[in-house]
Amino acid sequence: GDQVEQSPSALSLHEGTDSALRCNFTTTMRSVQWFRQNSRGSLISLFYLASGTKENGRLKSAFDSKERRYSTLHIRDAQLEDSGTYFCAAGGAGGNNKLTFGQGTVLSVIP
Amino acid sequence: DPKIIQKPKYLVAVTGSEKILICEQYLGHNAMYWYRQSAKKPLEFMFSYSYQKLMDNQTASSRFQPQSSKKNHLDLQITALKPDDSATYFCASSQEGLGGVYFGPGTRLTVL
Repeated sequence: GDQVEQSPSALSLHEGTDSALRCNFTTTMRSVQWFRQNSRGSLISLFYLASGTKENGRLKSAFDSKERRYSTLHIRDAQLEDSGTYFCAAGGAGGNNKLTFGQGTVLSVIP
Repeated sequence: DPKIIQKPKYLVAVTGSEKILICEQYLGHNAMYWYRQSAKKPLEFMFSYSYQKLMDNQTASSRFQPQSSKKNHLDLQITALKPDDSATYFCASSQEGLGGVYFGPGTRLTVL
């Protein structure tokens, strides 16, 4: 089946620094969605992309429009409240919204 | 106000029993889904419904049965519960062809 490989699996950042999370798909995907899961377990949608890039505050995401097998989530000026588990999820080519999730990146922002 | 409501938030059940997980969405979406997250596996797709009809089923066991009584409801009935069914079950919804998928807060099920 479709595979989603997410890296790194864990990441520690000092406040104020920048970093990027990555997601590779073993096959061409129609879309990608990024989520943050907070300490209460809620899944918060950060971005949905069918192509190109989107930016929201200190977060920016890109989806490779050519091969459609790669996406990134950039975090700028990391803050303590950015801590959590980040998931990318790929939307398949079938036209439905079935998502295949990566294993997640556990992000810890430290003072 | 929460747009996707799941009840209950926590549920403890004994092996062999039956439970129903409730989901209602107030986003006006025409598609609804169930996903499961356990300690051993990443978030995994279970079912998708569109206009109250089953579109995709990735759950091997017939013990899991979705039930859609209204367009904005998709409950999940689980029978003959096993300890391995312990997980957080997320309901989600989307508008087909538009945008992304939105998730409810989850029901955390523990089977003893």
